[in-house]
Amino acid sequence: DAKTTQPPSMDCAEGRAANLPCNHSTISGNEYVYWYRQIHSQGPQYIIHGLKNNETNEMASLIITEDRKSSTLILPHATLRDTAVYYCIVRVATNNAGNMLTFGGGTRLMVKP
Amino acid sequence: DAGITQSPRHKVTETGTPVTLRCHQTENHRYMYWYRQDPGHGLRLIHYSYGVKDTDKGEVSDGYSVSRSKTEDFLLTLESATSSQTSVYFCATKTQPSGQETQYFGPGTRLLVL
Repeated sequence: DAKTTQPPSMDCAEGRAANLPCNHSTISGNEYVYWYRQIHSQGPQYIIHGLKNNETNEMASLIITEDRKSSTLILPHATLRDTAVYYCIVRVATNNAGNMLTFGGGTRLMVKP
Repeated sequence: DAGITQSPRHKVTETGTPVTLRCHQTENHRYMYWYRQDPGHGLRLIHYSYGVKDTDKGEVSDGYSVSRSKTEDFLLTLESATSSQTSVYFCATKTQPSGQETQYFGPGTRLLVL
């Protein structure tokens, strides 16, 4: 799986958009980009994933560059409850049930009032 | 979230005692996973199940066993707890290995082995 690089921490003002970058310059053509987050003392939570096209759901938007070497997770109107560690994961699509998710260091997002 | 509950949520036990953690899901997901999370190691897969009575080992399975007698329940047993098994344990589920790694996690169990 391709390695990802994320800034260790970011701050965002409540109500503003939070833009979390992820670099995955060694991504291969069959690897998806997944985003999870982990709020303190809770289990990880799936946010969104994509392959090539930009994706949007009720939680966030995912912007993937044309060369797929980087992506940005956008929380359009950050709230205090979005304070968490955000993980960018690049994985090959596989039917192997035993594939584990590998969480790196992630970005600790602090949303401030 | 896939209606995943874990019990107990917190447990303190002594070295050498057996411990069983329970994961219960209400979404009829076929695949279930047990992870442990430790500082500096991230999430590590202990065991997983791909159906009733079908289980397999993950990355860090030594000292752990699992059982899945019903779709909704996946039990993790520490046969003889050691201090190195002090950790936060997360259960996760997935509907099917369609190639998408969308897993849903439970709230976690904090285990302290003295």
